Amino acid sequence: GQNIDQPTEMTATEGAIVQINCTYQTSGFNGLFWYQQHAGEAPTFLSYNVLDGLEEKGRFSSFLSRSKGYSYLLLKELQMKDSASYLCAVMDSNYQLIWGAGTKLIIKP
Amino acid sequence: IAGITQAPTSQILAAGRRMTLRCTQDMRHNAMYWYRQDLGLGLRLIHYSNTAGTTGKGEVPDGYSVSRANTDDFPLTLASAVPSQTSVYFCASSEEAVGHEQYFGPGTRLTVT
Repeated sequence: GQNIDQPTEMTATEGAIVQINCTYQTSGFNGLFWYQQHAGEAPTFLSYNVLDGLEEKGRFSSFLSRSKGYSYLLLKELQMKDSASYLCAVMDSNYQLIWGAGTKLIIKP
Repeated sequence: IAGITQAPTSQILAAGRRMTLRCTQDMRHNAMYWYRQDLGLGLRLIHYSNTAGTTGKGEVPDGYSVSRANTDDFPLTLASAVPSQTSVYFCASSEEAVGHEQYFGPGTRLTVT
C-alpha cells in the first residue's frame, strides 16, 4: 500500500528553527508537495520538490531525497502565525496526490 | 469571484437525503478535485477531473458522483447520504494534472444525522 508518515505534533519556540520530516512509500513518484493548513481553513501551497536537494523560499525550505523516500520542511525564524498543520503529499504514478495526516506545529512565545 | 468558491459553507443533512456540493473556479484551470478531510486522516481523493468532459475515481468514490460539463464547475453529489459521509469536503483545482500545485476552496462542513 501507499503510505506517508509525518509526526502528529511538534512544539517549537518563537524565533527558533523547526524541521518537520516526511517519509513516503508510494507507487511511483511525480513530485512532493508541502501545504500549510490553519485550523478551520483550507490548505495553502508552500513548496514543490521533484528533484533531490533543497528548495529555499524565504523562511521556508524543503528538502527531498528520492532514494531514501524522505523529505523535510524547515521553518526558520518562527512566528506565532506559523502555528498550523503542515501537510506532506506525494504525487504517485497515477498523478494523484497521496496525503499524510499532517503535523500540527505549536509555537510557544 | 476570485479563486475557488464552494457552497454551502456548512450543512446538516438527514440520512438518506440527496445533496449536491457546489464548486466553481475562475482561474481557467484544467484539473479539478474533490477531497474529504477527517480528523486524524490525510486528505482523501474522492473524484477528479483532468479536463472538462472527463472524470475519474479517486481513493474513496463510493456513494459520490461528479460531473464536469464545463471548465469552471465541478459539483459533487451524494445520492443517499449516510452518517459516515460526515466530513469536511474540499474542492481544489490546478492548472494541469501534473507538476502544478493545487488551489483549495474554503471547504464545506457536512454533518449527516
